[in-house]
Amino acid sequence: KNEVEQSPQNLTAQEGEFITINCSYSVGISALHWLQQHPGGGIVSLFMLSSGKKKHGRLIATINIQEKHSSLHITASHPRDSAVYICAVYGSSNTGKLIFGQGTTLQVKP
Amino acid sequence: DGGITQSPKYLFRKEGQNVTLSCEQNLNHDAMYWYRQDPGQGLRLIYYSQIVNDFQKGDIAEGYSVSREKKESFPLTVTSAQKNPTAFYLCASSIAENYGYTFGSGTRLTVV
Repeated sequence: KNEVEQSPQNLTAQEGEFITINCSYSVGISALHWLQQHPGGGIVSLFMLSSGKKKHGRLIATINIQEKHSSLHITASHPRDSAVYICAVYGSSNTGKLIFGQGTTLQVKP
Repeated sequence: DGGITQSPKYLFRKEGQNVTLSCEQNLNHDAMYWYRQDPGQGLRLIYYSQIVNDFQKGDIAEGYSVSREKKESFPLTVTSAQKNPTAFYLCASSIAENYGYTFGSGTRLTVV
């Protein structure tokens, strides 16, 4: 079983829909990253959080440390949100290595 | 602007040849990492370096080599011993104090 599990693996939505991507992890962590990878391949960090909730524009990320679970929400989704969203955790052993989920491929249709 | 530069973006090599992928950062980050991504799979760690002149094997180091002679640079050599080198390679760097991570734009290597 992977240490970081994302669901769903694939997601298709209509423009305007509210989207939720989930991430569960089984290790102790210092921080959790939500990353976005567009078809060109480059990765952008959307959020880094270790507690609570963060919001940036239409994106919201939450984390529940006790339940070892995080969610990424996209409000009023748009076709330009189509990408792979990756959850990655920074282990509490502080080696600096990230442990990655397998990614969620999101397609938003107009 | 600070960031990570990977070059080239696309690379084609013949089977049996060694090839070196470049990764340069001007963020003054101590740690640097190389990841490999295959279609439908998550990123897997090849090598990482937390300080200059020191590096550690990741989960899939066989067939790869690295060097860290300068803080800014962490080149990855894909050797002929790597059985399936065609993949997308991502370099990243981090600063331990605040868990911040920055990724490069990647190099897509195709071995023919």
